[in-house]
Amino acid sequence: SQQGEEDPQALSIQEGENATMNCSYKTSINNLQWYRQNSGRGLVHLILIRSNEREKHSGRLRVTLDTSKKSSSLLITASRAADTASYFCATAVFYGGATNKLIFGTGTLLAVQP
Amino acid sequence: DGGITQSPKYLFRKEGQNVTLSCEQNLNHDAMYWYRQDPGQGLRLIYYSQIVNDFQKGDIAEGYSVSREKKESFPLTVTSAQKNPTAFYLCASSPGTYAVNEQYFGPGTRLTVT
Repeated sequence: SQQGEEDPQALSIQEGENATMNCSYKTSINNLQWYRQNSGRGLVHLILIRSNEREKHSGRLRVTLDTSKKSSSLLITASRAADTASYFCATAVFYGGATNKLIFGTGTLLAVQP
Repeated sequence: DGGITQSPKYLFRKEGQNVTLSCEQNLNHDAMYWYRQDPGQGLRLIYYSQIVNDFQKGDIAEGYSVSREKKESFPLTVTSAQKNPTAFYLCASSPGTYAVNEQYFGPGTRLTVT
């Protein structure tokens, strides 16, 4: 399995409901990031949580990080039809020398029904 | 407008031809990246560059080449040696040189080789 794996692979909810996506990873990380991708478009950065942080909020987004379980969750509250997209977690891991790289998971496809 | 531009949005080539994908950024970012995205998969790193005139291979560099002659530009050439070049290609940039910061993505180029 890959470094970052999202669960579920697909999620369908009604507008106004909350959406929760989970990400698991294998190795030590510098930070974990969540991105959104609308169909056929580039990725948009949503939030970054450092390895020494446990929870972070940004608007309707809440991210948690449990380094002991090597997992993170993204909660989108009061979802809207415009939230329909694929959501990817990406872990920043050491890549040799003095650099890191981002390893992306396979994504969760979220569909918000109006 | 600040951001990353990629051109063209769609590109069609015959097998055996080399093709160059453009990526330009005006964010004054030091680091730039090229990723490949296949259906149902996460992003995979092809090449990255932390400073001008320097670049490093990522996880799937075979059959690709890059240059970084200017800070703003990081073109990717898909050569005829790439066995399965049809994919969605994404360029990104980030501030700093250690890949721990958020990345800003371009809109992508969808390459189809027949």
